[in-house]
Amino acid sequence: GAGVSQSPSNKVTEKGKDVELRCDPISGHTALYWYRQSLGQGLEFLIYFQGNSAPDKSGLPSDRFSAERTGGSVSTLTIQRTQQEDSAVYLCASSTQDRTEAFFGQGTRLTVV
Amino acid sequence: KQEVTQIPAALSVPEGENLVLNCSFTDSAIYNLQWFRQDPGKGLTSLLLIQSSQREQTSGRLNASLDKSSGRSTLYIAASQPGDSATYLCAVLSSGGSYIPTFGRGTSLIVHP
Repeated sequence: GAGVSQSPSNKVTEKGKDVELRCDPISGHTALYWYRQSLGQGLEFLIYFQGNSAPDKSGLPSDRFSAERTGGSVSTLTIQRTQQEDSAVYLCASSTQDRTEAFFGQGTRLTVV
Repeated sequence: KQEVTQIPAALSVPEGENLVLNCSFTDSAIYNLQWFRQDPGKGLTSLLLIQSSQREQTSGRLNASLDKSSGRSTLYIAASQPGDSATYLCAVLSSGGSYIPTFGRGTSLIVHP
């Protein structure tokens, strides 16, 4: 596609439910990042994928969070047993292997009620 | 650990003014620095990317400079317009092995007619 695509754009879920957020990176981009942006806060790094290498999961806040990337392309961020503090905008970005310009999607706004 | 600070946190100016937004970082061993714009409820749009070997980049009314030795970058916006109203974020990619951009908290800009 022309840009990074994220779905859904908005998600409202009940506390305790699981959610899946999807990211389609720019075709040919081997690097993929997930960030979280809480209201009034900066971007918090969650996880980084680069090609077929093991992902850098150092930013995941708890074991309720996980992510996978299938076929080196589409990525899914899963949050299990959602809590109200998980409410935020989840942003995905991709870049080429030589770590030049990063391009972001429009984000998924998650609201846990 | 790289830390990125943006000053001021918020700025309100009349249309037509020339603006300077500041970004400082603690570790000068960087690979590149990228400036983004974020409109309310939207994702991040890349404005300018400066590689570590470069001193500045220009795009239209925007000019970004980089001084690695002092750990600073500035984004200069000439002849500001109401359409420039947004949050401006800088992100630093360190060269020390981490492939994860570190973001500042951003400068929220309002340009009023």
